[in-house]
Amino acid sequence: NAGVTQTPKFRILKIGQSMTLQCAQDMNHNYMYWYRQDPGMGLKLIYYSVGAGITDKGEVPNGYNVSRSTTEDFPLRLELAAPSQTSVYFCASSYSPAKTGNTIYFGEGSWLTVV
Amino acid sequence: TQLLEQSPQFLSIQEGENLTVYCNSSSVFSSLQWYRQEPGEGPVLLVTVVTGGEVKKLKRLTFQFGDARKDSSLHITAAQPGDTGLYLCAGFNRDDKIIFGKGTRLHILP
Repeated sequence: NAGVTQTPKFRILKIGQSMTLQCAQDMNHNYMYWYRQDPGMGLKLIYYSVGAGITDKGEVPNGYNVSRSTTEDFPLRLELAAPSQTSVYFCASSYSPAKTGNTIYFGEGSWLTVV
Repeated sequence: TQLLEQSPQFLSIQEGENLTVYCNSSSVFSSLQWYRQEPGEGPVLLVTVVTGGEVKKLKRLTFQFGDARKDSSLHITAAQPGDTGLYLCAGFNRDDKIIFGKGTRLHILP
């Protein structure tokens, strides 16, 4: 039961470095999402995708980029990492729009520290 | 901007006690979900409530959606250490955008 798989689990970046957080789901879900969760805060949507080749900005997209070349994968790219991007990142997916009655499945999270 | 306010932020109680946590907004939501998140893991869906006034039970957990669909509560009966975690409510607005609250961090003492 893989579900939503994120890598890496933990990463320390220096200011200005770049990296990609990987996300894969094996449930054939069309909809995928990237959230960040800061201490004491709720989940904030960074980017989402409604299907392969289609992505859109969420609430806090600045400093990030995404791509969706396949249904299964939805990587999140951080360019020029900044301390403000220190957070826990969650990838999620759902079969149809995250609306009434539909379940969103979350990965286990990626802890990122920018120093 | 639609907001979901959760209260209390933190709650620490003894095993066996009852508790209620709240999720409030000034806006109407088409539906609302409750998630539990354990340390080092992602949130896991507990329940979705859709109809105003709806009550759903999940073993010792009782979820209620307010009549006006602006608020919700989660009541836990006879809390157990396994109930420890971060409880998040999430509401769906008319555009089907999901909005998360900041969560209530619950700690059950054995």
